[in-house]
Amino acid sequence: DTGVSQDPRHKITKRGQNVTFRCDPISEHNRLYWYRQTLGQGPEFLTYFQNEAQLEKSRLLSDRFSAERPKGSFSTLEIQRTEQGDSAMYLCASSPGSAGGYNEQFFGPGTRLTVL
Amino acid sequence: SQQGEEDPQALSIQEGENATMNCSYKTSINNLQWYRQNSGRGLVHLILIRSNEREKHSGRLRVTLDTSKKSSSLLITASRAADTASYFCATDAKGNSKLTFGKGITLSVRP
Repeated sequence: DTGVSQDPRHKITKRGQNVTFRCDPISEHNRLYWYRQTLGQGPEFLTYFQNEAQLEKSRLLSDRFSAERPKGSFSTLEIQRTEQGDSAMYLCASSPGSAGGYNEQFFGPGTRLTVL
Repeated sequence: SQQGEEDPQALSIQEGENATMNCSYKTSINNLQWYRQNSGRGLVHLILIRSNEREKHSGRLRVTLDTSKKSSSLLITASRAADTASYFCATDAKGNSKLTFGKGITLSVRP
């Protein structure tokens, strides 16, 4: 399967611990996005990368959150000192970033984080 | 903040019937996309319509876009039990590729 993959699929952690999630985009896609989805809501944008450059960060991304995309391939999202409010599904998406303006984003299966 | 609002919030139909879902948004868009999400899973891309397009088809799906009313509709014809899922519309603006989603519509198709 050459779709977007995320690891782990589920993470349970205690409040105050750090967690890191990984996303592997579709190989020829140069744009990579992170979204967060809580129960009963649509996904909310967190941040996105064009190759290795982080081009935009949402106000939702507090200083406890950091994302990287070294070498413009896979990306990691780290949450430090987790809080119960961080419990959510973290979704990664990638897109080809075509010059024609199409912006079809393809999503991975998500990482469900539960903070106890 | 959520840009789109889908309507209705929940829809229950019999297998074989058509399902129509609506989405309204607030600001000018570049593209509008519809996604499906099965319970607890990732989002599956269904269809993208550009701001200069009015209608698009893909299999049993038909999407319309009315930029003057800032609204879109998704029609699923001849629904199947496997179409049971949540459906989201998402928009992006010119020069900004992040997607802004609505809260979603829960579709139940009874066999």
